Amino acid sequence: DAGVTQSPTHLIKTRGQQVTLRCSPKSGHDTVSWYQQALGQGPQFIFQYYEEEERQRGNFPDRFSGHQFPNYSSELNVNALLLGDSALYLCASSLAHYGYTFGSGTRLTVV
Amino acid sequence: GQQLNQSPQSMFIQEGEDVSMNCTSSSIFNTWLWYKQDPGEGPVLLIALYKAGELTSNGRLTAQFGTTRKDSFLNISASIPSDVGIYFCAGIGGMLTFGGGTRLMVKP
Repeated sequence: DAGVTQSPTHLIKTRGQQVTLRCSPKSGHDTVSWYQQALGQGPQFIFQYYEEEERQRGNFPDRFSGHQFPNYSSELNVNALLLGDSALYLCASSLAHYGYTFGSGTRLTVV
Repeated sequence: GQQLNQSPQSMFIQEGEDVSMNCTSSSIFNTWLWYKQDPGEGPVLLIALYKAGELTSNGRLTAQFGTTRKDSFLNISASIPSDVGIYFCAGIGGMLTFGGGTRLMVKP
């Protein structure tokens, strides 16, 4: 049973560019949440998608947007990248609020 | 917003020692989760707690959901080298909110 898969694993972008990160949820899960984890800190909630709609959002600017597809997979888009956006981006899937399972993350470096 | 305060921030362990860490919040949570994160990996769920006062074990790990629903603790008995890593508490009160983590390291 495949768990949560994220791609790419690593990414280097230049300030001002845009980036798209992808997440495939665990089989049977219908909800996808995205987190940003800076070095040495706990994951910070970005937003959550259910039934292809953004259901909840953390304290992140509109430069962060997302999408959920009919097969429950999801994308995280970040526009106008800043140096401070460098972090590990984690995707978690769940069935409603049960069974939160995390992927290994995408390490984004903005130079 | 919701904040989880986790302590200690870091601790050294010697093989065989028991370890305790806790998490407190000013907000009530309906569910408490404890995760472990190894370098380069995502957090892995260790224990989930769904009811106030609940005490749950998973091997050498024991966690409790505080009766006020604002705190939780995790104990590790007879620690082994592979216990090294970062432990996070997380609460569900609408969204999943994480604490800052407790880093477990091996005594030199």
